[in-house]
Amino acid sequence: QKEVEQDPGPLSVPEGAIVSLNCTYSNSAFQYFMWYRQYSRKGPELLMYTYSSGNKEDGRFTAQVDKSSKYISLFIRDSQPSDSATYLCAMSVDYQLIWGAGTKLIIKP
Amino acid sequence: DAGITQSPRHKVTETGTPVTLRCHQTENHRYMYWYRQDPGHGLRLIHYSYGVKDTDKGEVSDGYSVSRSKTEDFLLTLESATSSQTSVYFCAISESGIFTEAFFGQGTRLTVV
Repeated sequence: QKEVEQDPGPLSVPEGAIVSLNCTYSNSAFQYFMWYRQYSRKGPELLMYTYSSGNKEDGRFTAQVDKSSKYISLFIRDSQPSDSATYLCAMSVDYQLIWGAGTKLIIKP
Repeated sequence: DAGITQSPRHKVTETGTPVTLRCHQTENHRYMYWYRQDPGHGLRLIHYSYGVKDTDKGEVSDGYSVSRSKTEDFLLTLESATSSQTSVYFCAISESGIFTEAFFGQGTRLTVV
């Protein structure tokens, strides 16, 4: 079993919908929880990160961490076609960064 | 893209040949990383460097070596390429080694035939 599990999708939703992307993990020692966005043929770019349970908001994006359930989510409000990308979660413990496999998101105009 | 250039961007090579990928940065960051990305696996760390001539192994280092003779350049070498090393390779840099501060290059798509 992988330390970080993420559904690869693709997840296809209409423009304007609320998107929910999720990861589960098994290592309770993870300290930081990150979400990256990766456009096709590009490198990942950091969207948001958090280190505690609860919600963190940045514009249309909300990152949520539930340490008791070992579950993290990224919500995108008012989704746009430009949000179409692969979203990767990543988690850190000590000096290691463990990645999910990524979820491909398609926003249909 | 935060002053990171990977070269080449695409390469096709034959099994058994040596291959060197280059990561060049203009940010003067101390830490540099090489990752590979494969479907179903996310990114996996191959090697990283925490200074000139200071390198260490990541989780998938077998079959790879690295060198860093200058702050700005981090080379990844496949000594004898195998088909299992067909992948997309990403370089990342970080000033302080904190993951949330790392920037990624555009990637090198390597195909071993």
